[in-house]
Amino acid sequence: GENVEQHPSTLSVQEGDSAVIKCTYSDSASNYFPWYKQELGKGPQLIIDIRSNVGEKKDQRIAVTLNKTAKHFSLHITETQPEDSAVYFCAASPSARQLTFGSGTQLTVLP
Amino acid sequence: GAVVSQHPSRVICKSGTSVKIECRSLDFQATTMFWYRQFPKQSLMLMATSNEGSKATYEQGVEKDKFLINHASLTLSTLTVTSAHPEDSSFYICSVFTGTAGEKLFFGSGTQLSVL
Repeated sequence: GENVEQHPSTLSVQEGDSAVIKCTYSDSASNYFPWYKQELGKGPQLIIDIRSNVGEKKDQRIAVTLNKTAKHFSLHITETQPEDSAVYFCAASPSARQLTFGSGTQLTVLP
Repeated sequence: GAVVSQHPSRVICKSGTSVKIECRSLDFQATTMFWYRQFPKQSLMLMATSNEGSKATYEQGVEKDKFLINHASLTLSTLTVTSAHPEDSSFYICSVFTGTAGEKLFFGSGTQLSVL
């Protein structure tokens, strides 16, 4: 089955700086890679996703890049704000039906 | 995306009692919903796949007689934790799969279950 590794487990950045979270996956059949943001006591919120027919996708301050050859994908958050502080999960799958999640990254944006 | 409503958000119960958690898809007719479990500072663990009009399929190691799932309509799935024990205390989250309408997974707000 799929195995997703996520790094780092914790990340602290100064407000206004960029944050990068990286994930690797094992199953070459995976072609769907979403990212979720989870605030304390809440369910995960889908913030961006990418499918394997594109290498990069951007939505305002958030971007995701995908390298299928190397089997890794990354989340980039620019101009970080305190409200970006949360746990971020990556996931991979041949479809959204059967996602395998990474272990999560606690992002803290320091004011 | 799909709007998913989950209730209750928090429940405390005595050991041996049963607890029902509701998951509603407010703006999407969901033939497939998923139930996840999350322990503190850990990732999401898939418990079962809830299929409208048919039996749920459970992941390995999840007791189907303990975690009863009912998906009687396209907008409602329920998870009942039967004879709850302290080790069942966890954060339970449902999700809706949008299938051919975009193939995405949207989560509810979660239910924190505490068993005393």
